[in-house]
Amino acid sequence: EIVLTQSPDFQSVTPKEKVTITCRASQSIGSSLHWYQQKPDQSPKLLIKYASQSFSGVPSRFSGSGSGTDFTLTINSLEAEDAATYYCHQSSSLPFTFGPGTKVDIK
Amino acid sequence: EVQLVESGGGLVKPGGSLRLSCAASGFTFSNAWMSWVRQAPGKGLEWVGRIKSKTDGGTTDYAAPVKGRFTISRDDSKNTLYLQMNSLKTEDTAVYYCTTDIRGCGGDCYSDWGQGTLVTVSS
Repeated sequence: EIVLTQSPDFQSVTPKEKVTITCRASQSIGSSLHWYQQKPDQSPKLLIKYASQSFSGVPSRFSGSGSGTDFTLTINSLEAEDAATYYCHQSSSLPFTFGPGTKVDIK
Repeated sequence: EVQLVESGGGLVKPGGSLRLSCAASGFTFSNAWMSWVRQAPGKGLEWVGRIKSKTDGGTTDYAAPVKGRFTISRDDSKNTLYLQMNSLKTEDTAVYYCTTDIRGCGGDCYSDWGQGTLVTVSS
């Protein structure tokens, strides 16, 4: 099973600041890495697919990069509505797995 | 508009069974690969399993913690996905989400999610 680790676990950020979340895979997964946002009491929402492809309707301040084992989700100019937990997810091999999540809080 | 509506959650005793349903609309259900993802209270997301479309074989895959206890099935005539859960354990307590890749992930990621249904396993 491929294990995903995320860092940091928690980040408190002021509006307009840049946020960087990393996801590391226990073995190479190519570009089969996706990012989701989950706000409290809501279902997750897809932000980025295949490491760097923005999903339809997602604000342009969200971007993704990386391949192999190291991936990054960047939120440029954070807005208050971006307070949420962010998860990475690999679909390179079964069983699919999720990272433990990174909680982003607004100062 | 894609809609996924789960139902069937509730309180069940350890060792018991429960069947969840997910009613789908707004897309061609028979073409979609469907999955279940769960989230224990205050915890992260955990992949449960998936079922391919019948065109792609209709096969199922499961996570190790549920393999042999849970069964995913589909009724394309009713646009409904099911999760039969047997021999339930307290650690199966979670919100169960129905999800799909119908908007362009090729089976790999999850573009649409239901609102989730809570399953509580407790004596």
